[in-house]
Amino acid sequence: NAGVMQNPRHLVRRRGQEARLRCSPMKGHSHVYWYRQLPEEGLKFMVYLQKENIIDESGMPKERFSAEFPKEGPSILRIQQVVRGDSAAYFCASSLGQALLNTEAFFGQGTRLTVV
Amino acid sequence: GESVGLHLPTLSVQEGDNSIINCAYSNSASDYFIWYKQESGKGPQFIIDIRSNMDKRQGQRVTVLLNKTVKHLSLQIAATQPGDSAVYFCAEGKNRDDKIIFGKGTRLHILP
Repeated sequence: NAGVMQNPRHLVRRRGQEARLRCSPMKGHSHVYWYRQLPEEGLKFMVYLQKENIIDESGMPKERFSAEFPKEGPSILRIQQVVRGDSAAYFCASSLGQALLNTEAFFGQGTRLTVV
Repeated sequence: GESVGLHLPTLSVQEGDNSIINCAYSNSASDYFIWYKQESGKGPQFIIDIRSNMDKRQGQRVTVLLNKTVKHLSLQIAATQPGDSAVYFCAEGKNRDDKIIFGKGTRLHILP
């Protein structure tokens, strides 16, 4: 049973381009969480999704950022018109149920986005 | 701002000794606390968790202590090994809210 798979592992984009980060949850997991991590910082919550639904996007910037988790396929975090401040590691986690209700959230290896 | 913080950014421990990593939190409404280990270039790895109605929980070589009176959480690692070198994050959350809020992390160095 493969863990949470994120790709690409490293992504370089020029300012103004779009970045698409993909997350395939663990098999059978229907809950996905996205976090952003700056160097030497903790992870900051961005968005929580279930299949075809955004449950909590309180950590998402109001502009340029969007996330989806379609019925089929991976969850996508999309950043439009990237700026240098978007450079960070983006982690995805998945869980079988609600992560704080007796289940663990398993994290992927992250995508490191560099905006040049 | 963050409701979870850490006392020390870096901790150096002799191999074989016990490590104690501390964490302070400010949200008394948190129901659930988690410790994660993050190695360089990897995602956070779940270590152990504890609910707010508990004071202590033990795992394999790790113990988490929760002091709600002073809003303090600690992770004790017994007989620290080189493989324990990593950044350790405490995190918290509420049962009605699925966000896990992370602190800034403590880097654990193992001295030979």
